Amino acid sequence: KAGVTQTPRYLIKTRGQQVTLSCSPISGHRSVSWYQQTPGQGLQFLFEYFSETQRNKGNFPGRFSGRQFSNSRSEMNVSTLELGDSALYLCASSQDGTGGARTEAFFGQGTRLTVV
Amino acid sequence: GESVGLHLPTLSVQEGDNSIINCAYSNSASDYFIWYKQESGKGPQFIIDIRSNMDKRQGQRVTVLLNKTVKHLSLQIAATQPGDSAVYFCADNFGNEKLTFGTGTRLTIIP
Repeated sequence: KAGVTQTPRYLIKTRGQQVTLSCSPISGHRSVSWYQQTPGQGLQFLFEYFSETQRNKGNFPGRFSGRQFSNSRSEMNVSTLELGDSALYLCASSQDGTGGARTEAFFGQGTRLTVV
Repeated sequence: GESVGLHLPTLSVQEGDNSIINCAYSNSASDYFIWYKQESGKGPQFIIDIRSNMDKRQGQRVTVLLNKTVKHLSLQIAATQPGDSAVYFCADNFGNEKLTFGTGTRLTIIP
C-alpha cells in the first residue's frame, strides 16, 4: 500500500510569488491535513479537508488556502510569499473510524519550501 | 490555551539501554495521544497511540504509559538501537479536530 506522497520535495520561490503544493493520501483515506514545521514554531496545524470540504482550520492568515478533490488528493496554496513562510510543509492522511473517531494520521515526506 | 509539551529537548542514551521520553499535556479532556518519530529529512512516522481508556499500551520494543491524574505520558523504548536516533513528538488529538504537537525530544544514541 503506497504511503502519503507529496510533491514537489523541494521548492525555491521569491518573495511575493505564490506556490502550490500537492498531496496524495493513502488509498482509502478521506481526511487530509496540512502542517507547517519550522525550527522556531515546531509543527503547526494549517487545515484539514474531508470529502472535499474544509473541516478544520488553524490560525494562519488567508494567504494560506487549500482544497481537496473528489479522489481525496489535496493541494495547498500560499500566495504573496514572505520570507517567514520558509518551512517544511507536511501532509497527513487518516480515515475516520467508527462513530467518527479518528485513527492515526500518516505523514508524507514533506515539501521543503524556501522563500528568498 | 491548550498545550502539549515535552520535558527535555535532548536525551542521550547508551546503545542497548532503555530510553524514556516524557510528555505533559494541559487539557484534561484530551482522550487520544500519538507518538511520532521524525528522522532528519523525513516526515513524522507513527510509532504508537493510546486512548484515555487505557493506562498502558505496548508495541514492538515500545511502550506508552498514560497517567491521566497528572496529565503525563511517556514513551519507553527498550534496548535502544542506533536507528532510534531521531526527534520524538507526542501529539494530542483532542476533539478529533487536529493534532497538537509537543516541541519534541531529540534522542541521540551513544555507541
